[in-house]
Amino acid sequence: DGGITQSPKYLFRKEGQNVTLSCEQNLNHDAMYWYRQDPGQGLRLIYYSQIVNDFQKGDIAEGYSVSREKKESFPLTVTSAQKNPTAFYLCASSIGGNSNQPQHFGDGTRLSIL
Amino acid sequence: AQKVTQAQTEISVVEKEDVTLDCVYETRDTTYYLFWYKQPPSGELVFLIRRNSFDEQNEISGRYSWNFQKSTSSFNFTITASQVVDSAVYFCALSEASQAGTALIFGKGTTLSVSS
Repeated sequence: DGGITQSPKYLFRKEGQNVTLSCEQNLNHDAMYWYRQDPGQGLRLIYYSQIVNDFQKGDIAEGYSVSREKKESFPLTVTSAQKNPTAFYLCASSIGGNSNQPQHFGDGTRLSIL
Repeated sequence: AQKVTQAQTEISVVEKEDVTLDCVYETRDTTYYLFWYKQPPSGELVFLIRRNSFDEQNEISGRYSWNFQKSTSSFNFTITASQVVDSAVYFCALSEASQAGTALIFGKGTTLSVSS
């Protein structure tokens, strides 16, 4: 089935540790996105990528890094510089970076601090 | 500045009641798109509908209907004869044509609880 796969579903981070969240899509979509969701909040954009080898910072990029070496993959690294990483992280993709295209979402990764 | 407001944080209804979720948006663009997403307890966001700024026709899909009014900058979502399976968080979102390539602007969501 076509879709977006995020892994792991749950992730724990120790102080000073970097962790990487995986996002893979087989929808042949060009654009991919990472959002952060905190309780009672909407989704806030961390990073997005319209094409391979290119990505842009979103509203809350500090403490995060991404790469886009392959069309189907857009991993997110939560670095030790992110002081409040506990949140629900959602990856999304769309056919292109046009504003009229709906985004399709993965099941999310819940990150907590040990 | 662009913004989406969902004033209702939580709504509780009993099965078979009708319920309307409000969404008010702000934008300076003349071309923009509005979306509704459903987030069930499992976490993923499910796309429900997209509406462009030039199409003010209301839309009905089964028990779901949407009322888009540019005069009041609103894009409200009504569920008729609600069911327990409708329990979820619902998000309204906006994208602007002038910001192509960037992401959706989400409201904070409305949590709908439907009891039997």
